[in-house]
Amino acid sequence: AQTVTQSQPEMSVQEAETVTLSCTYDTSESDYYLFWYKQPPSRQMILVIRQEAYKQQNATENRFSVNFQKAAKSFSLKISDSQLGDAAMYFCAYRRTSNTDKLIFGTGTRLQVFP
Amino acid sequence: DVKVTQSSRYLVKRTGEKVFLECVQDMDHENMFWYRQDPGLGLRLIYFSYDVKMKEKGDIPEGYSVSREKKERFSLILESASTNQTSMYLCASSLWGTGYGYTFGSGTRLTVV
Repeated sequence: AQTVTQSQPEMSVQEAETVTLSCTYDTSESDYYLFWYKQPPSRQMILVIRQEAYKQQNATENRFSVNFQKAAKSFSLKISDSQLGDAAMYFCAYRRTSNTDKLIFGTGTRLQVFP
Repeated sequence: DVKVTQSSRYLVKRTGEKVFLECVQDMDHENMFWYRQDPGLGLRLIYFSYDVKMKEKGDIPEGYSVSREKKERFSLILESASTNQTSMYLCASSLWGTGYGYTFGSGTRLTVV
């Protein structure tokens, strides 16, 4: 069975600095998708970034980028120039490419941003 | 603005009550999901549906059932609420196939007393 592990329950960063959130996963599949979701205090889950496993190039969305290491089954999220609005729970998630398959989530990392 | 709407933001129910959590999406998505979120456990899948009247058990279906009579609506039912079902419940939807992420509702925080 696929699993997703986030080993950092909490992280903190100073405003304008860079922080990296870790995620590892376990799968025997060769093709799949990986995601990072953000959940602010409003509770609304927001998709931050998405990576397709067959693409070697790391995904980037503005200040958010990933370091995807397929062989190591690692998928970390880097947030550059951190802002107060980045404070939230961050969830890493995995999904197989099957049409009817589901997202499997990690346990989350709470990110605090200090001014 | 496309969205997934959960009928209640907060809900308090008594032990033994039958509870209905409603979820409606306006994006014509085929797939719909119910997750439960607990601190330290992340999101765990209760049930999902990839078509009208279809349902599949997730990882923790015990004590729950679901109904999907129309494409846009997916209901989670707690047949006899218990205190260990106190939690945050998140509904989500997605397009069939591909690797699109999910669109989530804003959650229902259920307290069973």
